[in-house]
Amino acid sequence: AIQMTQSPSSLSASVGDRVTISCRASRDIRDDLGWYKQKPGKAPELLIYGTSTLQSGVPSRFSGSGSDTDFTLTISSLQPEDFATYYCLQDYSYPPTFGGGTKVEIK
Amino acid sequence: EVQLVQSGAEVKKPGESLKISCKASGYIFSDYWIAWVRQVPGKGPEWVGNIYGGDSETRYSPSFQGLVTMSADKSINTAYLQWSSLKTSDTARYYCARRFTTQFHLDFWAQGTLVTVSS
Repeated sequence: AIQMTQSPSSLSASVGDRVTISCRASRDIRDDLGWYKQKPGKAPELLIYGTSTLQSGVPSRFSGSGSDTDFTLTISSLQPEDFATYYCLQDYSYPPTFGGGTKVEIK
Repeated sequence: EVQLVQSGAEVKKPGESLKISCKASGYIFSDYWIAWVRQVPGKGPEWVGNIYGGDSETRYSPSFQGLVTMSADKSINTAYLQWSSLKTSDTARYYCARRFTTQFHLDFWAQGTLVTVSS
């Protein structure tokens, strides 16, 4: 299975900050990557798929970029509701595999 | 409105069997795959497998093949995940989610079912 490695595992930031989260695949996955947000006690929710396509209803402060093995999720101006754990998911080959997560905490 | 609702939390002993459910509404069940995802508390999610609502075709992650069984009843828009003999290592929250038609991303999720296996 393709391994997905996220960095950092956690970060502290303030409201209004620009935040970037990285995800690296163990091999080329083209642009078959998505990002999910999960708040404690809740199910994950899809933010981005196909590396950069925003899921319906997701605020435009979220953006994704990258290709092949290296990908980035950017939050342009962090809002209070964005404090959560973020996961990448590759759907290039079966089984789809998630990264280990990045927890975004309040500074 | 698309909704997925799972059955409630379960507490079981090792060796017992279990079947949890995921009822879908607000879309044509037969047109989509349902995926099952496991999440151990404090850890990242893991893909268990997926089942097609139309003909119950299944595809399992190799890590879960033979350990769980997925099934579906399209007459009542419900998918199931079952174990014949639980282990303590099966303790986790299990989510069902609707899968995109052409990709594996999951656009609607249920609330999850917490399964606790303890002697």
